[in-house]
Amino acid sequence: AQSVSQHNHHVILSEAASLELGCNYSYGGTVNLFWYVQYPGQHLQLLLKYFSGDPLVKGIKGFEAEFIKSKFSFNLRKPSVQWSDTAEYFCAVSPLYGGATNKLIFGTGTLLAVQP
Amino acid sequence: DGGITQSPKYLFRKEGQNVTLSCEQNLNHDAMYWYRQDPGQGLRLIYYSQIVNDFQKGDIAEGYSVSREKKESFPLTVTSAQKNPTAFYLCASSIDGVSSDTEAFFGQGTRLTVV
Repeated sequence: AQSVSQHNHHVILSEAASLELGCNYSYGGTVNLFWYVQYPGQHLQLLLKYFSGDPLVKGIKGFEAEFIKSKFSFNLRKPSVQWSDTAEYFCAVSPLYGGATNKLIFGTGTLLAVQP
Repeated sequence: DGGITQSPKYLFRKEGQNVTLSCEQNLNHDAMYWYRQDPGQGLRLIYYSQIVNDFQKGDIAEGYSVSREKKESFPLTVTSAQKNPTAFYLCASSIDGVSSDTEAFFGQGTRLTVV
């Protein structure tokens, strides 16, 4: 079965530190890739997505992610975090089955706490 | 405003009772989904629907039921057969379930507590 692994469950950083959250998936075919964010008390929002083309994608609030097909990875990065980035981050993968129903498979999430 | 509306935000029920969670969308999306979110487990798919009058089981469908009588509505019933119903439930929709655009849009969620 397809799965998504997020390596870090809890991350604590100081403001201005750099962030990298790991995400690996298990599926050999074509995939769409997503990072969603859930701020405290808010609904799940899309941070960025990769469908095709340039494997380095830029999202909102200065986040970016790089798709490395050979490593089945889609790591999220931000050069300098802010206190307002405190949230839970979810990596999600949608394997494309070419006609069958596409589903989002989520990782277990990473709780990021940024200390002022 | 286009979006997905889940109601209620908080729900309390006694053990053994069935409860129905509402999900409505005005995005004109064909596909709709129900996820369950538990701490440390991410989001797990309960049921999904590609089109009106059609739905399929997800990874953890036992103890749940759904209907899709209208395009904009996808209610989830948590039955008494669900052994651990206390959780945060998220409804989502996407343009359709088979195109290459699989971005999902989420509602605010319903936190169900069974006592």
